[in-house]
Amino acid sequence: EAGVAQSPRYKIIEKRQSVAFWCNPISGHATLYWYQQILGQGPKLLIQFQNNGVVDDSQLPKDRFSAERLKGVDSTLKIQPAKLEDSAVYLCASSLPGTSGGTQYFGPGTRLLVL
Amino acid sequence: SQQGEEDPQALSIQEGENATMNCSYKTSINNLQWYRQNSGRGLVHLILIRSNEREKHSGRLRVTLDTSKKSSSLLITASRAADTASYFCARGNTGGFKTIFGAGTRLFVKA
Repeated sequence: EAGVAQSPRYKIIEKRQSVAFWCNPISGHATLYWYQQILGQGPKLLIQFQNNGVVDDSQLPKDRFSAERLKGVDSTLKIQPAKLEDSAVYLCASSLPGTSGGTQYFGPGTRLLVL
Repeated sequence: SQQGEEDPQALSIQEGENATMNCSYKTSINNLQWYRQNSGRGLVHLILIRSNEREKHSGRLRVTLDTSKKSSSLLITASRAADTASYFCARGNTGGFKTIFGAGTRLFVKA
């Protein structure tokens, strides 16, 4: 079974530029998560989708971050414009539907460096 | 911070010794999970314990949960160099679907 796919794996941009990350979850997983993990910290949930609807985006900085999940499968996370403090690893995860805080399967992450 | 408290922040042991990591939290949970993260394999789910369970085993891993103290512990027995990684507890809160990760314990197992 294929795992969660993410691209790109690495990205270097200058502040105020835009960047987008892509995630393809495990087939059949209706729940998709985007996390931000700053070096030395645990993952912080940015947004959670159930199919193509948003379940939680309370920690998403909506003035610069946006995410969508068209057709309830792939998802993209965008940052526009980027700030230095956005340097982090962006993790995508997926899980089976209907599980409150259930097992999540993580992708390899995208490491973002903002200069 | 919404993150749970993990302790210790870092742990260094010899191969063959046992490693114990603790996690405390503040709100009611549906379940608590432990994940491992190393540079080679990313974040991997280890074990999930539900709020009505007190102990769970998986191979060399033993997880306990004390909901009255709002705490959990992860024990790795007979540790190996390959166990070197960061270990995170993640709690699934009641009343919602959010899973909240702690800051992690960094385990280093010396060969």
